[in-house]
Amino acid sequence: GNSVTQMEGPVTLSEEAFLTINCTYTATGYPSLFWYVQYPGEGLQLLLKATKADDKGSNKGFEATYRKETTSFHLEKGSVQVSDSAVYFCALSQSTNAGKSTFGDGTTLTVKP
Amino acid sequence: ETGVTQTPRHLVMGMTNKKSLKCEQHLGHNAMYWYKQSAKKPLELMFVYSLEERVENNSVPSRFSPECPNSSHLFLHLHTLQPEDSALYLCASSQDNRNTGELFFGEGSRLTVL
Repeated sequence: GNSVTQMEGPVTLSEEAFLTINCTYTATGYPSLFWYVQYPGEGLQLLLKATKADDKGSNKGFEATYRKETTSFHLEKGSVQVSDSAVYFCALSQSTNAGKSTFGDGTTLTVKP
Repeated sequence: ETGVTQTPRHLVMGMTNKKSLKCEQHLGHNAMYWYKQSAKKPLELMFVYSLEERVENNSVPSRFSPECPNSSHLFLHLHTLQPEDSALYLCASSQDNRNTGELFFGEGSRLTVL
């Protein structure tokens, strides 16, 4: 079955540091890939997505590239801010697996001033 | 504002109580979902509804009873819960249950079972 493995946290960075959160997946065919973010006290919201190989999703300074050859979708940001402190979830979905998005366990990021 | 509204945001109940969680989406989506988020556990899919029909029941105990009266509303009826059911319950919707697109989540209902 499908699975998503993401970097264990927690991750603590200083403001303006470079961020990478690794995500790899196992799936047959060509899933769509997503990063969701959950700020304290809130639900998950979509951060970015990519629907086919070599696509790059980007939003709010975050980027991730769909790498079919390494089955990866690593999240990066060049300069993090305190407001980026949240839990980040990597996920995939497939039309052949209706209704079942597969989520990673989440990575908690804390950015200190 | 994601277009998915959950009420109540917080709920405390005893093990013998009966309560309900409500979810409403204003996005015109056809599929709705209940997820359970517990501390230090992966996100768990509980139920999936597509066009008001249940298409997935992920081995959830019968003390959780979902109801989807129309494509905009989803309820989770709770009765005789256990303390280990304390968690954040997240509602989500998507365009359809083929799930080729993103999920839109509500802010969650934080449930505490005493």
